[in-house]
Amino acid sequence: AQKITQTQPGMFVQEKEAVTLDCTYDTSDPSYGLFWYKQPSSGEMIFLIYQGSYDQQNATEGRYSLNFQKARKSANLVISASQLGDSAMYFCAMREGRDNYGQNFVFGPGTRLSVLP
Amino acid sequence: GAGVSQSPSNKVTEKGKDVELRCDPISGHTALYWYRQRLGQGLEFLIYFQGNSAPDKSGLPSDRFSAERTGESVSTLTIQRTQQEDSAVYLCASSPTPVDTQYFGPGTRLTVL
Repeated sequence: AQKITQTQPGMFVQEKEAVTLDCTYDTSDPSYGLFWYKQPSSGEMIFLIYQGSYDQQNATEGRYSLNFQKARKSANLVISASQLGDSAMYFCAMREGRDNYGQNFVFGPGTRLSVLP
Repeated sequence: GAGVSQSPSNKVTEKGKDVELRCDPISGHTALYWYRQRLGQGLEFLIYFQGNSAPDKSGLPSDRFSAERTGESVSTLTIQRTQQEDSAVYLCASSPTPVDTQYFGPGTRLTVL
């Protein structure tokens, strides 16, 4: 079974509008971490935001926020005021347990976001 | 400070040749990871190093793949007798500890003709 599901292969958003990228996860471990990465066409993976399973509040980093709904096992990324430079692939990832080792760290298939001028 | 660096950035090789990919992690990062990303796909875990512990090789797809790391420094990923299906971007990441965020290098794009 997929550990991380991103159901939107591609998304379009108008510049300056907000967009939500979906991510659902599957784990039975009570301790886990959720990450979002951005991969522009240049290929590098850029860390955006992190949410721990025990964190009481949703994580925020500038224009990025994570809508963490633990009971639903979802960790959607919200990008406010989209910019043309936000066009990229976005990957949701999960660390099961306390360590990043090996197969405990898994990535979803990604969502390609295109910001329209 | 400097981020994770990888070399070469691009590598074109002929089927059957061996290739060696290099990763320089961020100084002081004890954990180092290798991933493979095929065109248009997500990341596949290959191997994980943590300090001087035995590496987690559970993601290596075949015995043609191997990797080494000396202490907490440079790592090399070696692919022997390359096949066309090895064509991909190979990404390296490091983190200060096993529980911290991973920081990625720019990747090496490998093309096997």
